[in-house]
Amino acid sequence: GAVVSQHPSWVICKSGTSVKIECRSLDFQATTMFWYRQFPKQSLMLMATSNEGSKATYEQGVEKDKFLINHASLTLSTLTVTSAHPEDSSFYICSARDATGLASTQYFGPGTRLTVL
Amino acid sequence: AQSVTQLGSHVSVSEGALVLLRCNYSSSVPPYLFWYVQYPNQGLQLLLKYTSAATLVKGINGFEAEFKKSETSFHLTKPSAHMSDAAEYFCAVSEAGANNLFFGTGTRLTVIP
Repeated sequence: GAVVSQHPSWVICKSGTSVKIECRSLDFQATTMFWYRQFPKQSLMLMATSNEGSKATYEQGVEKDKFLINHASLTLSTLTVTSAHPEDSSFYICSARDATGLASTQYFGPGTRLTVL
Repeated sequence: AQSVTQLGSHVSVSEGALVLLRCNYSSSVPPYLFWYVQYPNQGLQLLLKYTSAATLVKGINGFEAEFKKSETSFHLTKPSAHMSDAAEYFCAVSEAGANNLFFGTGTRLTVIP
């Protein structure tokens, strides 16, 4: 149980284009999903918290107009990198919070590697 | 404020030897603590979590961790390392019911045959 998927797993795009990444909780409902960014050999940096049916909460320094987040259902959140540039190349990981049980645990997707040429 | 410190960005052990990955936390309230493992080009997999129940927590793949409040530590151990344990390990802390999960900088475990 508690499986989170991401699609695509790898994407290469030209500078200036937009890329959409999907995050799905496959076997549980996730009222809250999270988007992280990870640079090579570094830890995860939280970009934003996504709540179903409401606007995402962005961390300081993250451009909300560049990283558009939509959480339209209890099992799907999307991250759209708009007008991507080479500096946006990174590993993007989503997680979904399982709010049942004694502890709120985040389950992570397999990640999406974005390369912007 | 909450934070996590992982001592040692890189740990090497011989196959069959004890694995010890260190994690110290800072939290103004009783914490929830987690260990995650990340294999190359993959997301994070939950190894184990501490949620204010038993202080010795057993996880998957033979790993366990002990919550020591007096030392503000949550070190990860495994009695005998396997080659398949080679990966990046992250310690994380959160408050009960809180959304945010604060990660340490990670420890890369290398297993030498």
